Amino acid sequence: NAGVTQTPKFRILKIGQSMTLQCAQDMNHNYMYWYRQDPGMGLKLIYYSVGAGITDKGEVPNGYNVSRSTTEDFPLRLELAAPSQTSVYFCASSPSGEQFFGPGTRLTVL
Amino acid sequence: GQNIDQPTEMTATEGAIVQINCTYQTSGFNGLFWYQQHAGEAPTFLSYNVLDGLEEKGRFSSFLSRSKGYSYLLLKELQMKDSASYLCAPGTPGGGNKLTFGTGTQLKVEL
Repeated sequence: NAGVTQTPKFRILKIGQSMTLQCAQDMNHNYMYWYRQDPGMGLKLIYYSVGAGITDKGEVPNGYNVSRSTTEDFPLRLELAAPSQTSVYFCASSPSGEQFFGPGTRLTVL
Repeated sequence: GQNIDQPTEMTATEGAIVQINCTYQTSGFNGLFWYQQHAGEAPTFLSYNVLDGLEEKGRFSSFLSRSKGYSYLLLKELQMKDSASYLCAPGTPGGGNKLTFGTGTQLKVEL
């Protein structure tokens, strides 16, 4: 099992550009999550999904969108990148309790 | 709302024991998770307490008191590789187990 994978590992965006952060898991977990972690701060929940076709907002959803067309994939979309979205983004999946995290995507918006 | 309080930094000696405390206030409660995060890496799961009391797992133990909104993580026989950030995260119902993370406790293990 590859676990939770994320691409890309690093990305630099210009203000106003858009991009999709990819997340996939091969553990057949129903629950998936997107977090962001700013330097020296805790992880904050952006969006989560309880299964294919179902998504809901977390604590900091503004500026982001998600979709969950399959159990395996949970992409995060940034439509108009802003410097405030410079952060490390972690995707996680869970069967119901413990969450398993991907390696993260380090995003810089200039 | 959610509120989590942990010490920002701690320093301990190799071979020693260290206790990292966490107090929390949440709307709804579904257990308390502890994660370890090395610099530049993803968090990794350490422990989960859903009932009051002590859970032991090798060199790591975690304690929970739901009535006091209090947990601690106990690390024994400290090793240099234990230098990391330790994240306390209460779970709330909905979405499987939505976690709210504190800013973490940065532990430095010295010789």
